[in-house]
Amino acid sequence: KQEVTQIPAALSVPEGENLVLNCSFTDSAIYNLQWFRQDPGKGLTSLLLIQSSQREQTSGRLNASLDKSSGRSTLYIAASQPGDSATYLCAEGNDYKLSFGAGTTVTVRA
Amino acid sequence: DAGVIQSPRHEVTEMGQEVTLRCKPISGHDYLFWYRQTMMRGLELLIYFNNNVPIDDSGMPEDRFSAKMPNASFSTLKIQPSEPRDSAVYFCASSLLAGGYNEQFFGPGTRLTVL
Repeated sequence: KQEVTQIPAALSVPEGENLVLNCSFTDSAIYNLQWFRQDPGKGLTSLLLIQSSQREQTSGRLNASLDKSSGRSTLYIAASQPGDSATYLCAEGNDYKLSFGAGTTVTVRA
Repeated sequence: DAGVIQSPRHEVTEMGQEVTLRCKPISGHDYLFWYRQTMMRGLELLIYFNNNVPIDDSGMPEDRFSAKMPNASFSTLKIQPSEPRDSAVYFCASSLLAGGYNEQFFGPGTRLTVL
C-alpha cells in the first residue's frame, strides 16, 4: 500500500525566508512525484511533476527534488512571499493513480 | 482551455436525498478521476475512467455511490441516498496520459453538505 507522509503539518516563516517542504513515500517503484498547491476553499493547482527518471524540476522560485532510493522529495521555495501562503500537497504516482500526503500548511508572515 | 469544470460548486441537501455531481474534463484527456477530500481522511481516490470506461472503483465507499462517463466530455458522481458523513469536497481531475507523464489537472471542486 502506498503511503505518503508530509512533515511538518504546518510551517510559519517570515517573508523572504526560503521554504523547505518534505515528502516521503514508501513505494520505490513510483512513476512520478507531483507537487500541488491548494488555497483555502479552492481546488488543487499543479506546481511541478518529476518523472521517476528525473532528479529535479524547477519553475521560477520553485525547485523540487526526487530521491527514489531514500523515498524522499523536497520542495524548495526561494525568497518566500505572503502570496505563497497555502497548503502544499505531494502525491506519488503509479501508472495512473496518485496517492496524496496530508499536506503542509504554510504561512508566510509579512 | 477552460480547465476541468465541475458543477455545482456548492450543494446543500438533506439526508436521504439523491445528489448528482458533474464534471467536464479537459478536452482530449483520456483519464478522468473522482476524489473526495475530508479533514479526517485527506484526499482519496474514489474511481477513475480511461476512455470513458471505469477502470478502478475500489475507492468508492459504498453502493450508495455510483459514477458514470457516458462520453468523453462528461462524467457524473451520484450519491443515493445521501448521508451526513458524505459531507466533503469532491474533486474531479483529468490527465492526458498515464505513466510518468500523468500530470493531473483538478477542477475547483464541489463542496457537499448533507444535513
